[in-house]
Amino acid sequence: SQQGEEDPQALSIQEGENATMNCSYKTSINNLQWYRQNSGRGLVHLILIRSNEREKHSGRLRVTLDTSKKSSSLLITASRAADTASYFCAPNQGGKLIFGQGTELSVKP
Amino acid sequence: DTEVTQTPKHLVMGMTNKKSLKCEQHMGHRAMYWYKQKAKKPPELMFVYSYEKLSINESVPSRFSPECPNSSLLNLHLHALQPEDSALYLCASSQWGGVSEQFFGPGTRLTVL
Repeated sequence: SQQGEEDPQALSIQEGENATMNCSYKTSINNLQWYRQNSGRGLVHLILIRSNEREKHSGRLRVTLDTSKKSSSLLITASRAADTASYFCAPNQGGKLIFGQGTELSVKP
Repeated sequence: DTEVTQTPKHLVMGMTNKKSLKCEQHMGHRAMYWYKQKAKKPPELMFVYSYEKLSINESVPSRFSPECPNSSLLNLHLHALQPEDSALYLCASSQWGGVSEQFFGPGTRLTVL
């Protein structure tokens, strides 16, 4: 069963703009992780936020988690063309990552 | 070494063939995973090995047979596959299993004719 649902499915922005992706999930989680995937390649771990954390930063990334609403968001600030990729949220339920459908981000130079 | 390697990168096989996918990590991670990813879809968990023992099998058909010879290696043996099994097969590892972040290999692109 699908755990993470992402919104929007696709996002196209100009370089320098911010990109926000949202994720909703259905059941209680240990943590929630975000991954990036360049076309047809392996996934790269971006950030992990624990269920007792509300916000976390890593470089140009900011992740929030609202366990009462079962939702998370990923903000990429000052986007670059190299940020073009698919982004997946992965709620961790019982030690298993259940990936959302993903957001396809396109950053135009 | 912070890398998960997978071989081969590409594999084409017939429905009667037997082949194997290989995955290796030297990060001392104790959990390893197989995922299947179809085009434009998210990865789907297939198997989890924790401390070299199979801990999760997501009801995967028996034509897929995982093996963990040691803590650094993970194999996926393929036999009598169907064309719908064509996909990107991703291997991952994590330090403890369960709640840790996962490190992914580049994947094996499998085509079943």
